[in-house]
Amino acid sequence: DVKVTQSSRYLVKRTGEKVFLECVQDMDHENMFWYRQDPGLGLRLIYFSYDVKMKEKGDIPEGYSVSREKKERFSLILESASTNQTSMYLCASRSGQTKIHQPQHFGDGTRLSIL
Amino acid sequence: AQSVAQPEDQVNVAEGNPLTVKCTYSVSGNPYLFWYVQYPNRGLQFLLKYITGDNLVKGSYGFEAEFNKSQTSFHLKKPSALVSDSALYFCAVRDRRQNFVFGPGTRLSVLP
Repeated sequence: DVKVTQSSRYLVKRTGEKVFLECVQDMDHENMFWYRQDPGLGLRLIYFSYDVKMKEKGDIPEGYSVSREKKERFSLILESASTNQTSMYLCASRSGQTKIHQPQHFGDGTRLSIL
Repeated sequence: AQSVAQPEDQVNVAEGNPLTVKCTYSVSGNPYLFWYVQYPNRGLQFLLKYITGDNLVKGSYGFEAEFNKSQTSFHLKKPSALVSDSALYFCAVRDRRQNFVFGPGTRLSVLP
């Protein structure tokens, strides 16, 4: 089974801090994704990556950046945390472009609170 | 732009009764549709997908979904609900960039 591991289940940070959320997958997937989940809004795509050192903006990239230095690891960075970034963050991975009908596999999420 | 609607925030059903969780979509071109389930404090788990072929798709945990092109719907169904099916359900459609667009989710409560 694919395993997507997010480094923290719960995280509390202060306004203005730089926050790192880490995600690792063990299935050699090319594609990785970061979402935030808010009640009534479903999942919204922040950033995604189709390959190492490659990144693309999703639907709500403002206030975030990402890093993908190795294939298995995709990091989400909040450059200067704000209270409106309090949310559940979900990482996902998927096989590459030749298998685009394959589902995404999700980690268990990081519940981030910005005080 | 691709979009997904789940018209019900909450669905309540008695254990043993059939359940339906509704999803409608808007896409240009052929729709590729997915259902996911989220249990408390967990990530999303894949249930089933429609790519092409039979309109009735079978998936995990006894769930199935019916694709209806004329009604642009992809409703999730199960003949006999279990209390353990209580969770948050998301419908998703693949977008032009081969990523997923998710609906807002429907909370299913199965009452004993």
